[in-house]
Amino acid sequence: GQSLEQPSEVTAVEGAIVQINCTYQTSGFYGLSWYQQHDGGAPTFLSYNALDGLEETGRFSSFLSRSDSYGYLLLQELQMKDSASYFCAVRIYSGGYQKVTFGTGTKLQVIP
Amino acid sequence: DTEVTQTPKHLVMGMTNKKSLKCEQHMGHRAMYWYKQKAKKPPELMFVYSYEKLSINESVPSRFSPECPNSSLLNLHLHALQPEDSALYLCASSQGRDSLQWEKLFFGSGTQLSVL
Repeated sequence: GQSLEQPSEVTAVEGAIVQINCTYQTSGFYGLSWYQQHDGGAPTFLSYNALDGLEETGRFSSFLSRSDSYGYLLLQELQMKDSASYFCAVRIYSGGYQKVTFGTGTKLQVIP
Repeated sequence: DTEVTQTPKHLVMGMTNKKSLKCEQHMGHRAMYWYKQKAKKPPELMFVYSYEKLSINESVPSRFSPECPNSSLLNLHLHALQPEDSALYLCASSQGRDSLQWEKLFFGSGTQLSVL
């Protein structure tokens, strides 16, 4: 089977830095993505790591360690609008086709 | 145009009704997906269409019937649903296989479905 585990909730202060972790167990792993979803909204793509290391996109960075089956999303200079749910997702190869499966999700609350 | 459009936004149906959810994208994406999301849970994959052919069915009950009339449209036909099927139904698209953009899913805003 496969699993992607994240902390259920994280609270951080506006202007601070927060890290959201994701540990996974999958077969046919291609890469790790991160999505943001505001309450009542659609998930939106944030970043993707296919190789080990850090990818930076503005205030957001994402890290992957394939040997540890672990990744994280780092959010810097937190803003109130960053309050949302964050999902890691893996692209896996299944039965000749590829699919994207989501982690358990982390609800981030940014407080003043 | 980087939008995935879903209609209707809200739907209430009885257990004997037949209804359809619609999804449209004009980004030239060749992979389209249906996900189901319950409150405070992650999206769960239901179906994947790749190049207009059904490639993945995640053991979804037959009361859900997907259809891909062309490369821009995706439908989900609903019949004899149960109250536990009430959820947010999300459509998504991506470039398709063998592309670095394959993993980047573009989601519609979803249809909030209530089954009475």
